[in-house]
Parts: sequence; structure tokens; C-alpha cells
Amino acid sequence: DAGITQSPRHKVTETGTPVTLRCHQTENHRYMYWYRQDPGHGLRLIHYSYGVKDTDKGEVSDGYSVSRSKTEDFLLTLESATSSQTSVYFCAISESSGGLEQYFGPGTRLTVT
Amino acid sequence: QKEVEQNSGPLSVPEGAIASLNCTYSDRGSQSFFWYRQYSGKSPELIMFIYSNGDKEDGRFTAQLNKASQYVSLLIRDSQPSDSATYLCAVVRPGGGGNKLTFGTGTQLKVEL
Repeated sequence: DAGITQSPRHKVTETGTPVTLRCHQTENHRYMYWYRQDPGHGLRLIHYSYGVKDTDKGEVSDGYSVSRSKTEDFLLTLESATSSQTSVYFCAISESSGGLEQYFGPGTRLTVT
Repeated sequence: QKEVEQNSGPLSVPEGAIASLNCTYSDRGSQSFFWYRQYSGKSPELIMFIYSNGDKEDGRFTAQLNKASQYVSLLIRDSQPSDSATYLCAVVRPGGGGNKLTFGTGTQLKVEL
């Protein structure tokens, strides 16, 4: 357990509404990541952060924004949710010592109706 | 060509046998390789990582890396029913910042009694 929690764990929302998912870590890790997992596509990187207020895009960033105002929290916002964003969202961290290994949180299942 | 390719399976092996899971990658400059195990409805769990050519053993697991042929494999000795899961291969590609991982779509392993 890398001390990662995600909230909410499940959410159903309507098309066009904004949604924010939260990732919280307790161990002061520098790097944090947001992935989505869909059948047939595997895990795909949405955005990542390499420090407070330092973020960058991954391969599927359109329609998503992120913020990191504190080391422990990394927020993912769907600005206007669409049905194509129905997915399972995972947060991950990698340790501040520079290790490349990533450890995942429990995930959030999001359904956009 | 996908950047990281895995046979989706299912791969069925009898209990006690060796399970062999394979992964190929397209970017010859890739340096770091990871195997994750994911049970249905759960988050990915890191089980092995390998950075150098050759074999790396950890308990019943052995990761094998062949950079010349661009493949990485995972051997599971004395397979148990509890090993039944989807195994994800992941690669850190060169040129990306923040240790970004690219995942394969996973191989489903079934260990039969």
C-alpha cells in the first residue's frame, strides 16, 4: 500500500457536467499520474505532475485538466463530461528518490450518462 | 504497430506448471520495463521490474529482457490458482519526462486446478 487514496470511488454523472476526481497521497512523493483504463486500450496516461504546480500532458489529455496545489493532492477535472469519458480512472505515484516504479491507487469508476 | 504488444489470452496453465507471458515493444531506445498484476475489479500491482538485459528473479517470478529482440517476458513457476489475473507489461520510452509508462493491453492468465 503506497498510501494512495482516490475519491470518489464510484460516480455517475450526466453529460455536460463538470467532474473532479481527487488523488491523495500520504508519503510526500514527487511524481503523480492520472490514467484511464478501457477495454481494448489498456491503461493510458492522461496527465502527470512532477511537483507542486508542475504538470504536463499525457497521450489522452483532451477534455481533462489537472491541478496540484499541494504535494499530497492531485486533482483531475473533466471540464464537460462526455459518454466517451466513462472509464475507470487510476492515480499513481512514483517515489521521490527517482525510482521509475509506479504504484497505483484503488481507482474511481466513472459513468457518464 | 502498437508500442507495447501482448497476447490477450486467455493463457491457461495447470496448477504447478510454469506460466510464460510475453511482451514486445517497438521503441528500441526503451530502457525500463515493468510487469503488473491486475485482479478483476482491482488496481494494477507492481510485481517485477527489469532494467538490464538478462534475467531477474524474485521468488516464483522471473523477468527476462532481451533488448536486441525487443521483448520482455515474465515466467511464473509453480503456478497457483491465486495467480489467475491479467498481467500488464509497461515500458518507459525515451524522450518523455516524468517517467511516463506505456502499457500493453494485458494477458489474462488462468491457472486451472
